[in-house]
Amino acid sequence: AQKVTQAQTEISVVEKEDVTLDCVYETRDTTYYLFWYKQPPSGELVFLIRRNSFDEQNEISGRYSWNFQKSTSSFNFTITASQVVDSAVYFCALTSGGSQGNLIFGKGTKLSVKP
Amino acid sequence: DAGVTQSPTHLIKTRGQHVTLRCSPISGHKSVSWYQQVLGQGPQFIFQYYEKEERGRGNFPDRFSARQFPNYSSELNVNALLLGDSALYLCASSLVQTTDTQYFGPGTRLTVL
Repeated sequence: AQKVTQAQTEISVVEKEDVTLDCVYETRDTTYYLFWYKQPPSGELVFLIRRNSFDEQNEISGRYSWNFQKSTSSFNFTITASQVVDSAVYFCALTSGGSQGNLIFGKGTKLSVKP
Repeated sequence: DAGVTQSPTHLIKTRGQHVTLRCSPISGHKSVSWYQQVLGQGPQFIFQYYEKEERGRGNFPDRFSARQFPNYSSELNVNALLLGDSALYLCASSLVQTTDTQYFGPGTRLTVL
C-alpha cells in the first residue's frame, strides 16, 4: 500500500527563521513521483515541485530547497529565511504508474510565520 | 494562460439533493482528476478521466459519478447528498500520463445542511 506521513501537524516560526517540513513515504513501486503543494487560506493547491524516484539530487529554488533520500524514504522541504507570505498548509504527495493517477496526500503541515 | 477553473465557487444544498460541479482544464491538458478535501485532511482521490474515459476511481460510493467532454472539461455529480459530503472539491488537470504533474483549480466548497 502507498502512504505519505507528515508527522508535524502545525509549526509556528518567527519571520526569517529557517523551517523544515518532514515527509516520509511508503511504496512498493520502484518508479514513483513525489510532490509538494502549498495551500494558502484561499484553498487552491499550488504546485511547488515534482521529483522522480531515480533522481536523488537535492533541489534549490530561491528560498526553497528539497532533500530527497531514498534510504530513509523521506522527501523533506526547507524554507530558508521564512516570510509571513509562506504561511499556509503544505502537502507532500506520492504517485506511481500503478496508482492510476491517484495522488496520495499526507495530512499536511500548517505553517504559521509570525512577523 | 488560464489555469484550471471550477464552478461554482460555493454551494449550499440540503440532504438528499443532487449536485453538479464543473471543471475546465488548462489548455492542452487532456486529463482531469477530482479530489475531495474535508477540513483538516489532505485531498482524497475520487476520479481521473482521460480522453473521456475513466482511468481511475477512488474509494467513493456509487453516488459519485463523473464524465469528461470532448473539449476535456469535466463534471462531477453527487446524488443523494449526505452531511458528510460537505467538503472542498478540487479539480486538477494534467497533460496525459497518470504521473504527470497535476495542477489544481480553486475548488468548489460544498456545504450540505
